[in-house]
Amino acid sequence: DAGITQSPRHKVTETGTPVTLRCHQTENHRYMYWYRQDPGHGLRLIHYSYGVKDTDKGEVSDGYSVSRSKTEDFLLTLESATSSQTSVYFCAISSDGTFGYTFGSGTRLTVV
Amino acid sequence: SQQGEEDPQALSIQEGENATMNCSYKTSINNLQWYRQNSGRGLVHLILIRSNEREKHSGRLRVTLDTSKKSSSLLITASRAADTASYFCATSDQTGANNLFFGTGTRLTVIP
Repeated sequence: DAGITQSPRHKVTETGTPVTLRCHQTENHRYMYWYRQDPGHGLRLIHYSYGVKDTDKGEVSDGYSVSRSKTEDFLLTLESATSSQTSVYFCAISSDGTFGYTFGSGTRLTVV
Repeated sequence: SQQGEEDPQALSIQEGENATMNCSYKTSINNLQWYRQNSGRGLVHLILIRSNEREKHSGRLRVTLDTSKKSSSLLITASRAADTASYFCATSDQTGANNLFFGTGTRLTVIP
């Protein structure tokens, strides 16, 4: 996972609390993505960014917001965490958006 | 959803045997990619095949693409215990969206 790091790696939080996950890249790639992975669903796109301050929604964006104030950082925020947001969250980067993505190691989030 | 589907969901073989996984998708694509995920890790890009290609090789990997049937297969020859992982196909569609749609994955177990 060289060039991309996610933090934290694990987090347990209570229902109703805000949570922010961070993705940091050193590759200077234009595109950054947040996916969630759940059993039986594969990876589903939450939000993505195609440049600083340029973001768009994915197929499961409800309850999530993102921000990208610098090329290297993409933040995913759960404004008020719910149990249905318990999942493994992956960040990915890409130079052009359509070819091989590089993934981070993931953040395992548990909402209790 | 454009999400692809891999078949089978799980596959168990002996070391040295070949493993074949299939992927079906729903819309016209620009390219199709295969990724591997070891337990507890992020996805790793394996190989990409463009929509105008029918077959591609990379080491022990062989990928085929049939756009008329909207399907692809990944063949791993002479499997090794280290090939034990989940394998996902991902498609880049022709709508211009700069993101990938992932399937639900095939869990491959190679028995030493």
